[in-house]
Amino acid sequence: ELKVEQNPLFLSMQEGKNYTIYCNYSTTSDRLYWYRQDPGKSLESLFVLLSNGAVKQEGRLMASLDTKARLSTLHITAAVHDLSATYFCAGEESSGYALNFGKGTSLLVTP
Amino acid sequence: DVKVTQSSRYLVKRTGEKVFLECVQDMDHENMFWYRQDPGLGLRLIYFSYDVKMKEKGDIPEGYSVSREKKERFSLILESASTNQTSMYLCASTFPGAYEQYFGPGTRLTVT
Repeated sequence: ELKVEQNPLFLSMQEGKNYTIYCNYSTTSDRLYWYRQDPGKSLESLFVLLSNGAVKQEGRLMASLDTKARLSTLHITAAVHDLSATYFCAGEESSGYALNFGKGTSLLVTP
Repeated sequence: DVKVTQSSRYLVKRTGEKVFLECVQDMDHENMFWYRQDPGLGLRLIYFSYDVKMKEKGDIPEGYSVSREKKERFSLILESASTNQTSMYLCASTFPGAYEQYFGPGTRLTVT
């Protein structure tokens, strides 16, 4: 069974700083997903990483995948308050089927 | 634009009541899922369905059942609601082999 672990679970960072969220997974995963969730809202898809070495960037967020290390990272560059949210990574044992989620990283960006 | 809708955003029920949570998607997706989200636990899979009238148990099916009579609709049923089923419930859908799961807005259920 695919298990996904994220760390840290809580992250408070100052505006303008850089930081990385780590996502380790236990067995082979077809794909690795990153989602964002704002309080009281549903999940918003950020990135889907399909293969080893994949890197995707959107604004101040960059996600990467190392399938050999079974590790994905979400790097935040020059954080701004609008990035405050909970970020989830999720793996997928077989494409188009259920996702296995990490517990989420609650990010707070302060002035 | 894919749309996944859930019947209620907020629901308050009493212990022992039968509760129905409805999910409808408009993209002819074969696969539909019900997840439960609790603080500090992330999202956990309750049930999923790959086709009409088909269902599979997820990680935490106890106390729940599901129904999929039409392709676009997937219902989650709490036969006798209990306080430990107070949670946020999220529905999702996708095609087999697709690159993304589409999530509904969620239903926050409180059982008193």
